[in-house]
Parts: sequence; C-alpha cells; structure tokens
Amino acid sequence: ETGVTQSPTHLIKTRGQQVTLRCSSQSGHNTVSWYQQALGQGPQFIFQYYREEENGRGNFPPRFSGLQFPNYSSELNVNALELDDSALYLCASTLTSGVHNEQFFGPGTRLTVL
Amino acid sequence: QQQVKQSPQSLIVQKGGISIINCAYENTAFDYFPWYQQFPGKGPALLIAIRPDVSEKKEGRFTISFNKSAKQFSLHIMDSQPGDSATYFCAASKGGATNKLIFGTGTLLAVQP
Repeated sequence: ETGVTQSPTHLIKTRGQQVTLRCSSQSGHNTVSWYQQALGQGPQFIFQYYREEENGRGNFPPRFSGLQFPNYSSELNVNALELDDSALYLCASTLTSGVHNEQFFGPGTRLTVL
Repeated sequence: QQQVKQSPQSLIVQKGGISIINCAYENTAFDYFPWYQQFPGKGPALLIAIRPDVSEKKEGRFTISFNKSAKQFSLHIMDSQPGDSATYFCAASKGGATNKLIFGTGTLLAVQP
C-alpha cells in the first residue's frame, strides 16, 4: 500500500505568480483535503475534494482553488501569490466510508514566496 | 478564532519520564479528537484518536484522557524516549460531510537522554 505523495518538495516563487501543487492519494482513498501550515503553527484547513467535487472549504480566498481527478489525485492552485502564502502545504487522503475517517498526510510542499 | 487551545508550547522531559500535553476545545459539536506527531520536514502522522463516549484510550505508551464536561483532552506519553522528540498536535472535528480537522498550535517535545 503506497502512502500519500506530494510534489514538488520545495518551490520558490515571486509575489504575483501562480503555483500548482500536486498530491497522489493513498491507494484506495477517495477524499483529499488540503491544509496550509505556517511556520510554528498547526495546519489550517483549505478545502476538501470528494468524487471530484469541492466538499467543504476553510477561510481561504478564491485565489486558492483545487481539482480532484478520476484517479483521486489532486491539485492545489494558488493565484496572485502573496508573501503570506509562504508555508508548508499538506495534502491528506481519506477513505470516506463512515462518520469519521482517518486522514493520512503527505510530506508536504514547502512554498516560499519572495 | 482559536477553537482548539494547546499547551504547553514546548516541553522538555528526561528519558523514561512522562510527557503530558493538554488541549481544550470550545465547540461542543466536536466528536472526534486525534493526536498527530510531526517530525521536521515530514507531514503529521496520526498517533491515536478518541471519541467522547470514552474517557480514556491507550495504545502502547500513548494514552488519551478525555474530560467531556471540562471540554479538555490530553496526551500522555509514558516512558518517553529520545525518538519521541517531535512536535505534537491535537485536533478536533465534528461529524458530517467534510469532517475537517481543527488543529491546536502544537507542542515541541524534547526528550533528553
């Protein structure tokens, strides 16, 4: 069973640019959540995708968008990057089958915005 | 609004000692409380989780104590080892379509040999 993988590992962008981060879910999982973790903070929920549809969103502006593909992999897109977007972006996959479903996190993508 | 408050921010424990990390929540709709362990450069890894219908859950050296009336829960690490040195996050979620996790701010644990 393969775990959650994310790419790239690190990324440096400048303010105003756009970025796409990628996530491959753990085998058999059908739900993907994205979180932003600023340095020294706990992860903050961005949004979740289930069966290719957005299934809940945290307090993030529309310039944060996502996609989920038929194979359950996912992308996080951030437009018009701001300095405060510098963070570790985490993807978590889940097999949605009950009331509460364990979320398994990938290693993250470290984004630096200059 | 901080819905899950975690303390202490950092903790130093001697090898073989007990590490205790505390969390408090505000939303009584929360009904799932996991603890995650995160090493530098890694994503959080699920350690142990509890639901409010039990007051304690133990898995190996890790125990969650849960006090529903006080809206508090804690992680106890028995016989702490240097390999336990990491950042620990409590979290909470409520049942529903999304069950997003609300995380605490983390506790940096250092276990001295």
